[in-house]
Amino acid sequence: GQNIDQPTEMTATEGAIVQINCTYQTSGFNGLFWYQQHAGEAPTFLSYNVLDGLEEKGRFSSFLSRSKGYSYLLLKELQMKDSASYLCAVNDNQGGKLIFGQGTELSVKP
Amino acid sequence: NAGVTQTPKFRVLKTGQSMTLLCAQDMNHEYMYWYRQDPGMGLRLIHYSVGEGTTAKGEVPDGYNVSRLKKQNFLLGLESAAPSQTSVYFCASRPTGPNEKLFFGSGTQLSVL
Repeated sequence: GQNIDQPTEMTATEGAIVQINCTYQTSGFNGLFWYQQHAGEAPTFLSYNVLDGLEEKGRFSSFLSRSKGYSYLLLKELQMKDSASYLCAVNDNQGGKLIFGQGTELSVKP
Repeated sequence: NAGVTQTPKFRVLKTGQSMTLLCAQDMNHEYMYWYRQDPGMGLRLIHYSVGEGTTAKGEVPDGYNVSRLKKQNFLLGLESAAPSQTSVYFCASRPTGPNEKLFFGSGTQLSVL
């Protein structure tokens, strides 16, 4: 079976750092994505990890540990516009199948 | 380029009615997907296709059928709509390759009364 878990909601303060966790148990694994989704909009791509370690892109970083079935998204210097839902998604290695977690709703407060 | 286009954007159905959602992409992508999104549920995969003429079941395929007769189009059909199918539906496409990101349509808000 497949299971991808994320916290449902998180709250953080403008200017702070927040870490959003994602754990997965899937029949196959061929990489993990993070997407951002603002209310009423389609998701947009943030990052992709397939090897263990940290990938940094400006204020956003993503980490992967394949042995632990674990990833996190790190957002630094939070801004009000970062209030959104953050979705992790796993490539099942069954040729193209891409499964999402339930998403984490992040609220950034002044 | 238009990218991924979904039609219609909004639709209200009565229980038992049928309808087809159309997804069209002009990027020559092999992979296409239909997801539904309900509050607090993230995106759930309904069906997907890895190429023209192929389809495969996702996590929640019951009550839906799909067809990929042309590479650029991926149709999602509801034969007999139920209130449980009230949702926002997203179509997406991407090239082959595990590191390729999804390109999403703007979504279809479907209400079944």
